[in-house]
Amino acid sequence: GQQVMQIPQYQHVQEGEDFTTYCNSSTTLSNIQWYKQRPGGHPVFLIQLVKSGEVKKQKRLTFQFGEAKKNSSLHITATQTTDVGTYFCAGPRRGSNYKLTFGKGTLLTVNP
Amino acid sequence: GAVVSQHPSWVICKSGTSVKIECRSLDFQATTMFWYRQFPKQSLMLMATSNEGSKATYEQGVEKDKFLINHASLTLSTLTVTSAHPEDSSFYICSALRDGGFISSTDTQYFGPGTRLTVL
Repeated sequence: GQQVMQIPQYQHVQEGEDFTTYCNSSTTLSNIQWYKQRPGGHPVFLIQLVKSGEVKKQKRLTFQFGEAKKNSSLHITATQTTDVGTYFCAGPRRGSNYKLTFGKGTLLTVNP
Repeated sequence: GAVVSQHPSWVICKSGTSVKIECRSLDFQATTMFWYRQFPKQSLMLMATSNEGSKATYEQGVEKDKFLINHASLTLSTLTVTSAHPEDSSFYICSALRDGGFISSTDTQYFGPGTRLTVL
């Protein structure tokens, strides 16, 4: 079946350093979504990428969707302690319009 | 905004009892809702799709008789964990798709705050 893989599983950075998490799907995706889950919290929708090669920015966060629509990345510039959490990518399953397959997530911790 | 609530936020119960979790879309209608389960430090796993007016569809390996889903209205879905056991302890999260025409893969799922279930 479809698999969505994310690396790294964990990332610890000093405040001010950059951070990147990578997402790779075993199948071509119609879109990819990114979520952030704070410790003890629930997933919060960040963004959705639809077009091949699409790049979107949200302040210090930059999201990319690969040309083949099988991979994606999230890059955070100059991390802050408020960026702490687990970042998940998710893609719709093949054959379903709306069921999502989530990656395992990348837990980001930031040392002040 | 699109707000989804869950109740209770946490529950502790004895083994063998049943627990009902409610998921409500507060400011929009949702014909389709989803129930996920998340074990500590793991990803979200879809358990079932809840459809208003019809039976829920369950993912492979999820027992429909153990996890009863009722989508009573366009704003409410309930998940009942029957005869709960310690291995059912988990974080249960619902999400809702906002109604408004054709459901496509570009629709955003709005997540509830989750319910932490502990079975003793």
